[in-house]
Amino acid sequence: DAGVIQSPRHEVTEMGQEVTLRCKPISGHNSLFWYRQTMMRGLELLIYFNNNVPIDDSGMPEDRFSAKMPNASFSTLKIQPSEPRDSAVYFCASSFYGDAGETQYFGPGTRLLVL
Amino acid sequence: AQSVTQPDIHITVSEGASLELRCNYSYGATPYLFWYVQSPGQGLQLLLKYFSGDTLVQGIKGFEAEFKRSQSSFNLRKPSVHWSDAAEYFCAVDKPRGGGSQGNLIFGKGTKLSVKP
Repeated sequence: DAGVIQSPRHEVTEMGQEVTLRCKPISGHNSLFWYRQTMMRGLELLIYFNNNVPIDDSGMPEDRFSAKMPNASFSTLKIQPSEPRDSAVYFCASSFYGDAGETQYFGPGTRLLVL
Repeated sequence: AQSVTQPDIHITVSEGASLELRCNYSYGATPYLFWYVQSPGQGLQLLLKYFSGDTLVQGIKGFEAEFKRSQSSFNLRKPSVHWSDAAEYFCAVDKPRGGGSQGNLIFGKGTKLSVKP
């Protein structure tokens, strides 16, 4: 079984540019999560979806960040315009929500550097 | 609000020695508890989880963890560490809701494990 797939694995961009991160969840999973990992703040939940619907986006830093899930097999996280403080590793995770004790499975992450 | 504390930022143990990584959580009821491991440049891999029942949970790679309600702890243990265990370990808590979890994992800051030959 393929795990969670993220692309690109690495992204280097200049301040002010638009950045789009992509995620393909595990087939059959109905929940998808976007996390950000930095040295200072650790792992933070940005947003999560159940059945393609955003449930909680309270972790999204500001309006420059947006996330979409147009279908069950694809999600994007967009930063526009990007800033150096957005440099971090962004993880996507998926799970099957509905059973007691769901487990989140993580992708390999996208390492973003904004110059 | 829920929180997770991993008091040790960095631990170094000798190969073959035993290991215990500490995790304390703050929550008014029994949460779902998880340990994940992250190797350098990799994503997070689930080691084990506790939802209910037996408070001693077995996981992959020879790890186990014990849930102690009285101490609000969920410490991770391994009797004999291998060099390949060097990684960063994260404890996480999830708030149960009805028949399923909330899906809102709260992570500790992580403990980095180094293994001496």
